[in-house]
Amino acid sequence: SSELTQDPAVSVALGQTLRITCQGDSLRNFYAAWYQQKPGQAPVLVIYNKNKRPSGVPDRFAGSSSGDTASLTISGAQAEDEADYYCSSRDSNDNRPVVFGGGTRVTVL
Amino acid sequence: EVQLAQSGGALVQPGGSLRLSCEASGFTFNDRTMHWVRQAPGKGLEWVSLITWDGTYTSYADSVKGRFTVSRDNIRNSLYLQITSLTTEDTAFYYCAKDGGGYNWYFDVWGRGSLVTVSS
Repeated sequence: SSELTQDPAVSVALGQTLRITCQGDSLRNFYAAWYQQKPGQAPVLVIYNKNKRPSGVPDRFAGSSSGDTASLTISGAQAEDEADYYCSSRDSNDNRPVVFGGGTRVTVL
Repeated sequence: EVQLAQSGGALVQPGGSLRLSCEASGFTFNDRTMHWVRQAPGKGLEWVSLITWDGTYTSYADSVKGRFTVSRDNIRNSLYLQITSLTTEDTAFYYCAKDGGGYNWYFDVWGRGSLVTVSS
């Protein structure tokens, strides 16, 4: 089972704003990262260190965090944003130094 | 361009072994922690292993501990995952990934994945 909890699926109307959450104890000590994965492709980093975007990631993607919950917000969702999104973080458990969420499938209507 | 080129995926019988390879280019390989992450068909991502830049520290998920061994060759800019005692539950795409650096481990570059299928 995942140590970070995500909603399995969410949908958003084209052009509307979507927020995905990720909850877990590790997020009290470490920042979340977010990955986008489209069918048949490797994951791609979209947010790291809570709210930083890699070069090339559109600025409609934003990250935030409070307590044990991290959030990924997509403002003005586009059709190409339809994908699975995973959060991850470092963990202080030496037997499990990195943890992932179970993933959220985003559908753009 | 920063790239991770993977090879070594195969169909393997239960109990068998395999070595996955990942060749890095476009960045200074010998100063980066590297990771392996796997994804069973239709399932989520699972962190598997990491190795620090100099190979002195490694760590494994409980599900693979004692069966998988991560290593690296900084001369060849290559990362490896030796997997043994395979079971059907090890069937997955295996991704190598570059750590982004710093205190919060995250994966800023991913390979395209190597498919390991365990079946008789």
